[in-house]
Amino acid sequence: ELQLVESGGGLVQPGGSLRLSCAASGFTFSNYAVSWVRQAPGKGVEWVSTIGGGGISTYYADSVKGRFTISRDNSKNTLYLQMNSLTAEDTAVYYCAKCPRGYNWYFDYWGQGTLVTVSS
Amino acid sequence: DIQMTQSPSSLSASVGDRVTITCRASQGISNYLAWYQQKPGKVPKLLIFAASTLQSGVPSRFSGSGSGTDFTLTISSLQPEDVATYYCQKYNTAPWTFGQGTKVEMK
Repeated sequence: ELQLVESGGGLVQPGGSLRLSCAASGFTFSNYAVSWVRQAPGKGVEWVSTIGGGGISTYYADSVKGRFTISRDNSKNTLYLQMNSLTAEDTAVYYCAKCPRGYNWYFDYWGQGTLVTVSS
Repeated sequence: DIQMTQSPSSLSASVGDRVTITCRASQGISNYLAWYQQKPGKVPKLLIFAASTLQSGVPSRFSGSGSGTDFTLTISSLQPEDVATYYCQKYNTAPWTFGQGTKVEMK
């Protein structure tokens, strides 16, 4: 069974940093692009970042460019999101999501999410 | 960047009603459009990709259509379990933008 399990969320002060992880299982992780998608409390869904299967190609939303870094370790089947210079606007549930094969940048499987709260 | 605008923002319908949600792109995106369903307190779930292709396991009462800038998601006969917020998402080029969502409630 395909699974995506996020971890690393929590309470962080404005200006602080946090690293999220997403452990993948049930599929050949290195063959697929994976992404982070977030949802602020009571708001809609917002794409954050995507990384290709080989880890070379990366894409970022303008709202996080220069502050967040996406990476992956295919030997550990794990996706990461390093978040720096956090602000209250980054408060959200962060979902790890898998893209299907090929250049198809939609999300066919989602994790349960991890909550990041930025507050003093 | 291409903007995605959904309408209406919310709607209320009765069991068995035909429900249509519209998603408009500010520029043409061919058929690079996906639809998601998010039930209250749950994770978003892929319903449709390539504008009209039903994801495996999705009930056939859901259908999608459109190309270019105008797209629709139709629920042919609304069921109580369809109460949810529905999002469109374009994926032709980055950024992969979502619409603001359409909340479907039961009358």
